[in-house]
Amino acid sequence: DAMVIQNPRYQVTQFGKPVTLSCSQTLNHNVMYWYQQKSSQAPKLLFHYYDKDFNNEADTPDNFQSRRPNTSFCFLDIRSPGLGDAAMYLCATSRVTSGRRDEQFFGPGTRLTVL
Amino acid sequence: AQSVAQPEDQVNVAEGNPLTVKCTYSVSGNPYLFWYVQYPNRGLQFLLKYITGDNLVKGSYGFEAEFNKSQTSFHLKKPSALVSDSALYFCAVRAYSSASKIIFGSGTRLSIRP
Repeated sequence: DAMVIQNPRYQVTQFGKPVTLSCSQTLNHNVMYWYQQKSSQAPKLLFHYYDKDFNNEADTPDNFQSRRPNTSFCFLDIRSPGLGDAAMYLCATSRVTSGRRDEQFFGPGTRLTVL
Repeated sequence: AQSVAQPEDQVNVAEGNPLTVKCTYSVSGNPYLFWYVQYPNRGLQFLLKYITGDNLVKGSYGFEAEFNKSQTSFHLKKPSALVSDSALYFCAVRAYSSASKIIFGSGTRLSIRP
């Protein structure tokens, strides 16, 4: 089945130790998103790639970076995780064209714990 | 600026009764509206969407939503609730002018008691 896959599902890191979360998709969607979600709040968009174009949200801390080496993969890098970065990180994909605005498909999420 | 509001943090319904989860929106131009459901420790699952056409939209798991342009609402409904419907529900909106981003509401926790 076509899907959005996130690895790992659970990640534990130490304060200040860089961590990378990965997302892959078999949907061949041109847009990929990273969201941060804390304790049942609404997902907060960090950034998204529209094809190869990177779009950063104005309030996303510099501590968060992203890479999209190809259509299928997208990575979230947290350079120096703080205790406040502990959250669920959700990857999503969507197909967006000049005539379509499809819904977003979400992966299962990676729960990040910072010790 | 586009926005979406879910006025109820929690909705409690007895199993077998109808349920409604409310959503209102504000967007310039024609809206694209979505409902998602989230179970504990899972990602969001798409339920249904309104793009154009019939105001009553049918989606997954027996859910439906009614688009009301005059009231700028897109309430989620189900005729007969199941205990398994207990989850967190998010309404979302996208303006046509916003090609790729959607705005989520704050979420409503739906609790169905047996």
